[in-house]
Amino acid sequence: DAKTTQPPSMDCAEGRAANLPCNHSTISGNEYVYWYRQIHSQGPQYIIHGLKNNETNEMASLIITEDRKSSTLILPHATLRDTAVYYCIVRVDNNNDMRFGAGTRLTVKP
Amino acid sequence: NAGVTQTPKFQVLKTGQSMTLQCAQDMNHEYMSWYRQDPGMGLRLIHYSVGAGITDQGEVPNGYNVSRSTTEDFPLRLLSAAPSQTSVYFCASSYWQGENEQFFGPGTRLTVL
Repeated sequence: DAKTTQPPSMDCAEGRAANLPCNHSTISGNEYVYWYRQIHSQGPQYIIHGLKNNETNEMASLIITEDRKSSTLILPHATLRDTAVYYCIVRVDNNNDMRFGAGTRLTVKP
Repeated sequence: NAGVTQTPKFQVLKTGQSMTLQCAQDMNHEYMSWYRQDPGMGLRLIHYSVGAGITDQGEVPNGYNVSRSTTEDFPLRLLSAAPSQTSVYFCASSYWQGENEQFFGPGTRLTVL
């Protein structure tokens, strides 16, 4: 069973921030939160990951709540090319068995 | 670098036929894995390898065999294809098992009639 819950779909206007939520209420202390995305049947692409602190890279920001039971992926200025399925995954360090759920289909509209 | 490459891109099989899906990477990654993705679902791990000569089962290994004779190649074999194996297959690699970022190939779309 997937250890995360995500909304099945979301829309976002081009140029606006896209905020994708993820619930992981049963996360363990040694599990990280990872985000990948899959653009139109291509292979998944790594976006960002974190343990308990907020993280930012050139693609996105990851906000993890203090109790670590939920997180939000933020794409600060969404473009049409960000239209994809976004997967939130919890994973124990040193283990690459990533359990993908159904993800959130983000549609960025002009 | 070509990254992770997969062949073929598309394949149609009849029930009972066998075939091998090819996966290669040129990044000197030790860890390689195979996933399948059914329509509307996320990816599920089939088999993985932490290095040449070492393989192990993932979440859905039944009906598939793997071997890892070189660091670069990790083929996936279907011994007797079944319609339930109709899926898109992705190969992935990373420097080691716990690496943060896995690199995925473009996928092989397999249909079993």
